[in-house]
Amino acid sequence: SYELTQPPSVSVSPGQTASITCSGDKLGDKYAWWYQQKPGQSPVLVIYQNDKRPSGIPERFSGSNSGNTATLTISGTQAMDEADYYCQAWDSSTFYVFGTGTKVTVV
Amino acid sequence: QITLKESGPTLVKPTQTLTLTCTFSGFSLSTAGVAVGWIRQPPGKALEWLSLIYWDDDKRYSPSLKSKLTITKDTSKNLVVLTMTNMDPVDTGTYYCAHKAWGSGSGTQYFNYWGQGTLVTVSS
Repeated sequence: SYELTQPPSVSVSPGQTASITCSGDKLGDKYAWWYQQKPGQSPVLVIYQNDKRPSGIPERFSGSNSGNTATLTISGTQAMDEADYYCQAWDSSTFYVFGTGTKVTVV
Repeated sequence: QITLKESGPTLVKPTQTLTLTCTFSGFSLSTAGVAVGWIRQPPGKALEWLSLIYWDDDKRYSPSLKSKLTITKDTSKNLVVLTMTNMDPVDTGTYYCAHKAWGSGSGTQYFNYWGQGTLVTVSS
């Protein structure tokens, strides 16, 4: 089965850059998507097709995907960005796979 | 405006069957390219995809849970139903239904609208 691994936590100071990685076998050959989930809320899509932002998502959110790693970058991190982040990929045998999740703390 | 809402029991006993309903608006499951999926999240844990149904009644299931799951749709009532058999305490969690991005290509395999989720507890 296909698996995606993320670091459990990332800490960032306000205004700094947070990078969240997502690792999977030949992930760069697939699309990666990223969701933000705040406590008690449903996930919200922040990046689709590796590096595209849905309407309404701030420009400080960006994505990349190459090799075995996809990366979500939050530039100029704000307190409101504190949340759990999940990557997702699609595989023809496992179908929809979510990453293990990363808690972003703004300190 | 696309909205989805999950409904069902909040408490089920071990070995019982869970039936969840997703009622949606803003789109039709009779339109080519449309699909609705179910995702769950145990308390404090990661998201886990369960199942998906397409407009043409094609269905997909998580390989690890396939034997427990059945997904159906009622296009006239704009709803999707997920049943999960032989419930166990490890199945406790929040269950979400979500709209998959329109289309069938590899670039559309994600969920762009989510319901609010419903918490299901499995306990005797």
